[in-house]
Amino acid sequence: DQQVKQNSPSLSVQEGRISILNCDYTNSMFDYFLWYKKYPAEGPTFLISISSIKDKNEDGRFTVFLNKSAKHLSLHIVPSQPGDSAVYFCAASVLGGSYIPTFGRGTSLIVHP
Amino acid sequence: EAGVTQFPSHSVIEKGQTVTLRCDPISGHDNLYWYRRVMGKEIKFLLHFVKESKQDESGMPNNRFLAERTGGTYSTLKVQPAELEDSGVYFCASSLNPGRAGGPLVTQYFGPGTRLLVL
Repeated sequence: DQQVKQNSPSLSVQEGRISILNCDYTNSMFDYFLWYKKYPAEGPTFLISISSIKDKNEDGRFTVFLNKSAKHLSLHIVPSQPGDSAVYFCAASVLGGSYIPTFGRGTSLIVHP
Repeated sequence: EAGVTQFPSHSVIEKGQTVTLRCDPISGHDNLYWYRRVMGKEIKFLLHFVKESKQDESGMPNNRFLAERTGGTYSTLKVQPAELEDSGVYFCASSLNPGRAGGPLVTQYFGPGTRLLVL
């Protein structure tokens, strides 16, 4: 049973527009959330995170929003660039508990020039 | 500074054979993790070393999988005998110690993975 769900396997966006990647989780114990980015033939790299005490965290073109009541988070990329084309994994952890993130299946983002 | 390296990058073996994957973590990282991703599925945790000790091996699928980290440096993951369902990408990651703040706050650095295909 998946505890972290990324229901869109792929997303296609025009360069310069906003990319919105969504993630839902079922375990209410999760209180720390991460996004990883993965290029082909490479391992995932950490992108941005948010703890449950916040509802928004911004880092440059990347913003993560957290809606705890809906158990939903999203990653916004504005403006999208062709170099952002990659697979994005959502992951969730318990602060002070397990150090092991639970990953979703990933969303493949393609940004067209 | 060198990142996490994994060897081999690809391995194709027949069912019943043995394969050994190697991971070299970032120098100075006591924590080493193994993950696996079956095609199109989520990245799943296999086990965690702190130095040479197994901290958590709850994700290991069965006793055909054996992980070691002798001397607390590089790690090996052996699959013996390999089955068809073992195919996937095996990632290794390493990190510094979590400290009191908790493990998730410490960034895990992933290697490029070993793509294993069992025929």
